Amino acid sequence: LAKTTQPISMDSYEGQEVNITCSHNNIATNDYITWYQQFPSQGPRFIIQGYKTKVTNEVASLFIPADRKSSTLSLPRVSLSDTAVYYCLVGTPGSARQLTFGSGTQLTVLP
Amino acid sequence: DADVTQTPRNRITKTGKRIMLECSQTKGHDRMYWYRQDPGLGLRLIYYSFDVKDINKGEISDGYSVSRQAQAKFSLSLESAIPNQTALYFCATGLAGSYNEQFFGPGTRLTVL
Repeated sequence: LAKTTQPISMDSYEGQEVNITCSHNNIATNDYITWYQQFPSQGPRFIIQGYKTKVTNEVASLFIPADRKSSTLSLPRVSLSDTAVYYCLVGTPGSARQLTFGSGTQLTVLP
Repeated sequence: DADVTQTPRNRITKTGKRIMLECSQTKGHDRMYWYRQDPGLGLRLIYYSFDVKDINKGEISDGYSVSRQAQAKFSLSLESAIPNQTALYFCATGLAGSYNEQFFGPGTRLTVL
């Protein structure tokens, strides 16, 4: 299983760009990298997913270097409502057993 | 996500009781999952099902069982509840081929006394 390592917590201010990095040194060839967001007492919500290079959607960007041993979730201009726990997952499509959420990163956005 | 519903939303029970948590989805997804989350921790996979005839154990299946009654329904049972099964339980669905994108229900908070 590809284990992931993320910072336990991060603080930021409204309007800033936030980058959360995840390490996954043992990522397998067929693994994809997925990020989820979770608010207290709610189920996680899918944010973005990628395999290599850069992926961007309306919410975030995901940067993956060539060696794929890490990835960075970038949230542009955060607001107070972005305060949540962010999980980095690494797993092979079709194999749910390999999806591990870990403890995530608590992002706190300050006014 | 309103397309994935869980019942009950909260449940308090006693040690040794049998408990069933139910999950229904209207998303038409083939894949369904059960996770538990303990305070301050991430989610851990209990069981998953890729279609009605497919049931697979996850990371922490001991003490739990599941039933996939239909494509839209996936139930989790605790045959004899114990206090360390007190947790927040989430059901999730996913499409085959959508890789790791899952859609989560609102969760069931279970307390075992």
